Amino acid sequence: GAGVSQSPSNKVTEKGKDVELRCDPISGHTALYWYRQSLGQGLEFLIYFQGNSAPDKSGLPSDRFSAERTGGSVSTLTIQRTQQEDSAVYLCASSLSLGENYGYTFGSGTRLTVV
Amino acid sequence: SQKIEQNSEALNIQEGKTATLTCNYTNYSPAYLQWYRQDPGRGPVFLLLIRENEKEKRKERLKVTFDTTLKQSLFHITASQPADSATYLCALAATTDSWGKLQFGAGTQVVVTP
Repeated sequence: GAGVSQSPSNKVTEKGKDVELRCDPISGHTALYWYRQSLGQGLEFLIYFQGNSAPDKSGLPSDRFSAERTGGSVSTLTIQRTQQEDSAVYLCASSLSLGENYGYTFGSGTRLTVV
Repeated sequence: SQKIEQNSEALNIQEGKTATLTCNYTNYSPAYLQWYRQDPGRGPVFLLLIRENEKEKRKERLKVTFDTTLKQSLFHITASQPADSATYLCALAATTDSWGKLQFGAGTQVVVTP
């Protein structure tokens, strides 16, 4: 597609429920990244995928968070047993490849509210 | 610990003037530094990238400098316009083997008044 697409744009869930957030990167982009942004805060790195390499999961805050990328394209970020502190905007980005020459193209994010 | 600091106070500037934003970092030896623009409710938009061996980069009305001795980058918007009002984020990768882990500053809001 023309840009990075994320769905849903908004999600309200009850504490303890699982949620899945979806990211559709730009076609042909081999690198995909997940960040989250809390109100008034900077972006916090979560995970990135590059081609067929093992993802770098070093930013995932707990084992309740997981992500996968199927067929080198669409990615899903799953949060199990959501907590109120998980409330944030979850941003996905993609780039042509991993490396210094490539700026990230971000989606508009999924605003997650845990009540 | 590693830190990326941007002025948290909003920068209010009159149309036509030059806006200058600062990004300071500690305990990084970045291979490069990027600047993004973020509008409310949207994801950041990539503006410029500058490498550690470059002193200055320009794109239209934007200019970025990178001083690895001072551990600082300056971002200039010349002839500012109300449409430039947004939050500007700096981001850097610590080393060449961590390009996938761009770390972002919290951003500085710019408000350009007519």
